[in-house]
Amino acid sequence: EPEVTQTPSHQVTQMGQEVILRCVPISNHLYFYWYRQILGQKVEFLVSFYNNEISEKSEIFDDQFSVERPDGSNFTLKIRSTKLEDSAMYFCASKYGGDQPQHFGDGTRLSIL
Amino acid sequence: DAKTTQPNSMESNEEEPVHLPCNHSTISGTDYIHWYRQLPSQGPEYVIHGLTSNVNNRMASLAIAEDRKSSTLILHRATLRDAAVYYCILGFLGGNNRLAFGKGNQVVVIP
Repeated sequence: EPEVTQTPSHQVTQMGQEVILRCVPISNHLYFYWYRQILGQKVEFLVSFYNNEISEKSEIFDDQFSVERPDGSNFTLKIRSTKLEDSAMYFCASKYGGDQPQHFGDGTRLSIL
Repeated sequence: DAKTTQPNSMESNEEEPVHLPCNHSTISGTDYIHWYRQLPSQGPEYVIHGLTSNVNNRMASLAIAEDRKSSTLILHRATLRDAAVYYCILGFLGGNNRLAFGKGNQVVVIP
């Protein structure tokens, strides 16, 4: 069964550095998402992306965050200047159509030192 | 986001059915009821969704109350692999709907 793939599985970065988290959504999917989960807390929505533009973003998704679909297969989340509080699991999700469920990757654990 | 209420945790014996309740008294007419689960160290996984009628798929069944103010996810025969946090989420189905996760229900399966 096709799956959403995220790399790396664990990223360690110094505070203030830029980080890019990568996702390969399921190939024919059209809607893309990023969520995050701070250790011990709820899964939180960050951003949704459709037709090459952001559809919705949460309050968490401030100017330090950006997303891109640079080619037909990758979907990336960039954090420009990381903070300690950005440490979390970041999940990418995708879905084919409006009435289909979202499929999640297994996440990237981001640790900010 | 419309609010759902689930138990914090539940235990179930292996190979027995599991009934996971969810209350959503403020559900709106366009809200679907979505269920996802999260196994340890994995991303959330879709289980099932429904609007008004009961739904069945290979993973589970979803029973929706007639007034839609509550629903129950039914795992017909619990296995150890079903140990996970189960999330009941309300929301629109179409478009680029975001999922609003709560704390979920931690299901423990006892061998």
